[in-house]
Amino acid sequence: EPEVTQTPSHQVTQMGQEVILRCVPISNHLYFYWYRQILGQKVEFLVSFYNNEISEKSEIFDDQFSVERPDGSNFTLKIRSTKLEDSAMYFCASRPRGGLSYEQYFGPGTRLTVT
Amino acid sequence: AQSVTQLDSQVPVFEEAPVELRCNYSSSVSVYLFWYVQYPNQGLQLLLKYLSGSTLVESINGFEAEFNKSQTSFHLRKPSVHISDTAEYFCAVSSSRGSRLTFGEGTQLTVNP
Repeated sequence: EPEVTQTPSHQVTQMGQEVILRCVPISNHLYFYWYRQILGQKVEFLVSFYNNEISEKSEIFDDQFSVERPDGSNFTLKIRSTKLEDSAMYFCASRPRGGLSYEQYFGPGTRLTVT
Repeated sequence: AQSVTQLDSQVPVFEEAPVELRCNYSSSVSVYLFWYVQYPNQGLQLLLKYLSGSTLVESINGFEAEFNKSQTSFHLRKPSVHISDTAEYFCAVSSSRGSRLTFGEGTQLTVNP
């Protein structure tokens, strides 16, 4: 069964550094999402992406963040100048166009630790 | 704005006992409701959903949830749990099909022998 994959599973970085989190969505999916979960808190929506542009973003998704689909298979989240409070589990999700369920399929997550 | 509250952060039960995981939501518009499950070291998997129609929805592994509009609830139930049901369960709401999901805090279900 096809699945969303994410790399790396765990990323440790120093405050102020840039990180890129990578996701490979399911191949025929057209909508892509990033969510994050700070330890002990709710899963929070960051951004959705369709047709090579951001379709919706939350107040969390400020100029520090950017997303890209560089090659038609990967979907990346870049965090410039990381802060301690960016430490969280980051989940990528994708879904096909239309369909009955509009289900979002989630990857296993990347745990980002900023020191 | 919409929000989701899961009233129980941890629910320990014995195997073969019934369980109910509670979820309440608030929204000013029509909602679509979801339960996701997360097993250790895995991503979130859709367990069941309410989009429209029958207010009682079921999953393939024996869970069910009922959409109650008057009580703004979408509680998850299973009449007899297994050890393998041990996981974290997340309730989520969306205001339109395919748009952002707003999640609750999650409920850790632990099934003991």
